[in-house]
Amino acid sequence: DTAVSQTPKYLVTQMGNDKSIKCEQNLGHDTMYWYKQDSKKFLKIMFSYNNKELIINETVPNRFSPKSPDKAHLNLHINSLELGDSAVYFCASSRGTSGRRGNEQFFGPGTRLTVL
Amino acid sequence: DQQVKQNSPSLSVQEGRISILNCDYTNSMFDYFLWYKKYPAEGPTFLISISSIKDKNEDGRFTVFLNKSAKHLSLHIVPSQPGDSAVYFCAATVIISNFGNEKLTFGTGTRLTIIP
Repeated sequence: DTAVSQTPKYLVTQMGNDKSIKCEQNLGHDTMYWYKQDSKKFLKIMFSYNNKELIINETVPNRFSPKSPDKAHLNLHINSLELGDSAVYFCASSRGTSGRRGNEQFFGPGTRLTVL
Repeated sequence: DQQVKQNSPSLSVQEGRISILNCDYTNSMFDYFLWYKKYPAEGPTFLISISSIKDKNEDGRFTVFLNKSAKHLSLHIVPSQPGDSAVYFCAATVIISNFGNEKLTFGTGTRLTIIP
């Protein structure tokens, strides 16, 4: 039973296209995140949601639009894809308001996006 | 501006010996530190964490040491096992919302290879 799942695992597309990556967690967590790992393997936060509400937006271009239909899902839609968007995108979730700090974030397996 | 740095991109250790992975940070606001382990084609998985008010936390073969004055932390694995071969990411966090959203800032990772 996968805790955090992402689809698709691989995505190859042409520049200028619009694409979406889906994420679902079955852990009952309130908080979800999107991270980008670039070609230099640098893993950087993009967005964080709490119970469908956007909390963190790390100066990501507005071509990237996260959408959370419910607290178990956080999808990432990317418009007008550019070459520099090629990366691995990871979804993650955590307990959030558990009263405990350093909450472990559970990561999905990643989606490798290649823009040609 | 890289606030969390792992200066050793790779490390090789003999099986059974101690592996020591190092991490430095610059932001004094970080109040929790975590180590994640990543296998190829998988998402990072949580290993161990430490609060900034502590200097040591131990969990089985894994111990994390924090030197707050030096803004330095290290992960010790002893004894090292072949299954420990992976990329290890150091991460630091600040809480940024009342909902418990934590902004994780990752280092660039150290690839650990355990030699049988």
